Amino acid sequence: GAVVSQHPSRVICKSGTSVKIECRSLDFQATTMFWYRQFPKQSLMLMATSNEGSKATYEQGVEKDKFLINHASLTLSTLTVTSAHPEDSSFYICSAYRRGGTDTQYFGPGTRLTVL
Amino acid sequence: DAKTTQPNSMESNEEEPVHLPCNHSTISGTDYIHWYRQLPSQGPEYVIHGLTSNVNNRMASLAIAEDRKSSTLILHRATLRDAAVYYCILRDFYNQGGKLIFGQGTELSVKP
Repeated sequence: GAVVSQHPSRVICKSGTSVKIECRSLDFQATTMFWYRQFPKQSLMLMATSNEGSKATYEQGVEKDKFLINHASLTLSTLTVTSAHPEDSSFYICSAYRRGGTDTQYFGPGTRLTVL
Repeated sequence: DAKTTQPNSMESNEEEPVHLPCNHSTISGTDYIHWYRQLPSQGPEYVIHGLTSNVNNRMASLAIAEDRKSSTLILHRATLRDAAVYYCILRDFYNQGGKLIFGQGTELSVKP
């Protein structure tokens, strides 16, 4: 099967610091990866589409200078939450399509970010 | 991609079948019906998808109405591990590889 990993699984940081979350496709190449955010008891909200070798496409209302996305290779995308504040505390989930595969997204296990 | 409507929550008993409905009255001819589910504190996982004909796989079955305006995800024997939020999502064939927009889904609880 197609496996997507995320690191770290859980992070606690102080307000004002930056946090980097990694998303890796372990056994397939992913030209496109996606980043979602999920608050408690709510659905997933798409933040941005990450394309390998090009700039990410952000959804309306998502601050691109706050949520930096880098997709430097076909198996790795990173999301950096800059100058994190308590309202950024959330569950961040990435996903990817298998290059040359079917129209099925494979999701990572998520990263729980808590900003104190 | 067109919009879907699902009940907010459903309850089931363990080892009984579960029928999760989804309405998609504005579905277009090129929209596939996809189902994903999200177990507590995990990322979503793919369950099944179909276009017109009913589909079966090891996880579930998908029954699609003849007019395609609704569909039903069927779990043949619910287990406690099936407790999750189930999302019904329409995907345009010509939008393959594109973003996935999640609605509110149906929260399924399974009683022992």
